[in-house]
Amino acid sequence: EAGVVQSPRYKIIEKKQPVAFWCNPISGHNTLYWYLQNLGQGPELLIRYENEEAVDDSQLPKDRFSAERLKGVDSTLKIQPAELGDSAVYLCASSPPRLAGISVGELFFGPGTRLTVL
Amino acid sequence: GQQVMQIPQYQHVQEGEDFTTYCNSSTTLSNIQWYKQRPGGHPVFLIQLVKSGEVKKQKRLTFQFGEAKKNSSLHITATQTTDVGTYFCAGATAGTYKYIFGTGTRLKVLA
Repeated sequence: EAGVVQSPRYKIIEKKQPVAFWCNPISGHNTLYWYLQNLGQGPELLIRYENEEAVDDSQLPKDRFSAERLKGVDSTLKIQPAELGDSAVYLCASSPPRLAGISVGELFFGPGTRLTVL
Repeated sequence: GQQVMQIPQYQHVQEGEDFTTYCNSSTTLSNIQWYKQRPGGHPVFLIQLVKSGEVKKQKRLTFQFGEAKKNSSLHITATQTTDVGTYFCAGATAGTYKYIFGTGTRLKVLA
């Protein structure tokens, strides 16, 4: 079974430039998360989707960040314009439907996209 | 908003010694999950605890969920070099699957 796929793996841009990250979750996983992880810290939730609906985006800086999950499968996270403080690893995770005896709703993380803003 | 803290931030142990990390939430949780992140890797799910006072074991790892469902711990018996990494707890409050991750405990094991 293929894992969560993210691209690109690395991105270097200058400040004020736009950037986009793509995530393809594990097939059948209806919940998708975008997290931001700074070096030495825990992942911070940006947005959570249930199918194509963003059910929690309270921590997404909406002045510069946007996300979409068209058709409830893959997802794109965009930053425009990027700032120096946006340098971090952007993690995508997906979670299967919670079914008794089968899944507890654990998160499966992708490898992340490491963003460097110069 | 909900905050999840972990202590210690770092722990260096000699191989064979035990290790414990503690997780504390500012709010009551419906469940808590634990993840391990190897250096340069991504978090990998270890276990989920749901019931008050629950204790679960995975080989040398023992996980506990506090009676008040606001704290949890992970204990590793006789650490090995393969245990190196950062251990995160992640808690969700009732009615949500919004997992807030703790600050993490970075474990180094000296051979």
